[in-house]
Amino acid sequence: EVQLVETGGGLIQPGGSLRLSCAVSGFSVTSNFMTWVRQAPGKGLEWVSVIYSGGTTYYADSVKGRFTISRDKSKNTLFLQMNSLRVEDTAVYYCARALTILGVVGMDVWGQGTTVTVSS
Amino acid sequence: EIVLTQSPGTLSLSPGERATLSCRASQSVSSNYLAWYQQKPGQAPRLLIYGASSRATGIPDRFSGSGSGTDFTLTISRLEPEDFAVYYCQQYDSSPPWTFGQGTKVEIK
Repeated sequence: EVQLVETGGGLIQPGGSLRLSCAVSGFSVTSNFMTWVRQAPGKGLEWVSVIYSGGTTYYADSVKGRFTISRDKSKNTLFLQMNSLRVEDTAVYYCARALTILGVVGMDVWGQGTTVTVSS
Repeated sequence: EIVLTQSPGTLSLSPGERATLSCRASQSVSSNYLAWYQQKPGQAPRLLIYGASSRATGIPDRFSGSGSGTDFTLTISRLEPEDFAVYYCQQYDSSPPWTFGQGTKVEIK
């Protein structure tokens, strides 16, 4: 069964660090483009980061230099290392698989999300 | 960065009615790279349409997408009770960032 399960969210003080994990089953994390998307409380969706199958990474300007996306082939898991957290990073974080047809055309598999709350 | 603007912000309709949602881009987006998602409260988004007009796996044919360039439309031909939700468009043209529109809420009138 194709499934994504995020863990690692929680309450963290501003300036702190947190690492989110996304356990992948049913397909290979290294053979697909994998993304993180977040949603602040009561707000819309915000694309955060992507790692291509070849390892190239991209980030939203709002997290560039603070967040790092990575993956572990042996664990078939995607990660998001979040440093220097700010109150405005408070959100539900989703991992998702990118559907590729001559390029990325959508995100077809999503996890259930993990909640990150940045507050003092 | 391509900015996507969705309209209206809220659409109030009755079951059985037709819903027409708009997504306008700040610059041209290749039709292959425009997607629509549905999100219900407390749930992850679900891919409805990719490539502007292709339905994702398992999506009913009452959902259809159209458009090109800077103007795209999601149409729900006859609203079912389970279709009341928030809908987002997203573009994948060129390199990231892959921006979302701000969403359109379809609510029961």
